[in-house]
Amino acid sequence: DADVTQTPRNRITKTGKRIMLECSQTKGHDRMYWYRQDPGLGLRLIYYSFDVKDINKGEISDGYSVSRQAQAKFSLSLESAIPNQTALYFCATSDPGGAGNTIYFGEGSWLTVV
Amino acid sequence: RKEVEQDPGPFNVPEGATVAFNCTYSNSASQSFFWYRQDCRKEPKLLMSVYSSGNEDGRFTAQLNRASQYISLLIRDSKLSDSATYLCVVNPRGELNNNNDMRFGAGTRLTVKP
Repeated sequence: DADVTQTPRNRITKTGKRIMLECSQTKGHDRMYWYRQDPGLGLRLIYYSFDVKDINKGEISDGYSVSRQAQAKFSLSLESAIPNQTALYFCATSDPGGAGNTIYFGEGSWLTVV
Repeated sequence: RKEVEQDPGPFNVPEGATVAFNCTYSNSASQSFFWYRQDCRKEPKLLMSVYSSGNEDGRFTAQLNRASQYISLLIRDSKLSDSATYLCVVNPRGELNNNNDMRFGAGTRLTVKP
């Protein structure tokens, strides 16, 4: 089983709908992240959290919100989805006290907004 | 100019070949550098960290050239299983374990053919 689990893995939604992507981890890491990946652009950071209730904006936070309900859970919401939010989304964790800067990614969530 | 730039490829090489990728970064104060591997439709996974003058791990060698602000990845004796996209990752702040500021290149695609 994956240490970082994302649900759903695939979702097609309509413009204007609210959608939530959920992430849970069993690695015991305090730091969690949400990235999106687009062809030709690389991974970009949306939000990150260093602890429960700690929320920080990343490079491209507009149109997104997050919730860190527990150490193991970090959810990403699109309040009103738009087509340019079609992308592959990754949740990730890291442990600063562990193997340096290693980031551990979930398997990804493919989101299509039509 | 992107903060981290990579040749997107694709690089198509025969089995057994030696192949090298370069990655340039714009922030001269950057201290931490990494190569991640991403298989098609999968999550990125850490391949190698690159510190100080470089790092070697079996068939893989990563080097850092601070003066020219680039890192390279050399793969010797290519295997079919090396086919993947290789992501260059840079921490521009130079603070160890400051994972929230990692910058990802868009990746270089490698296909190793029989």
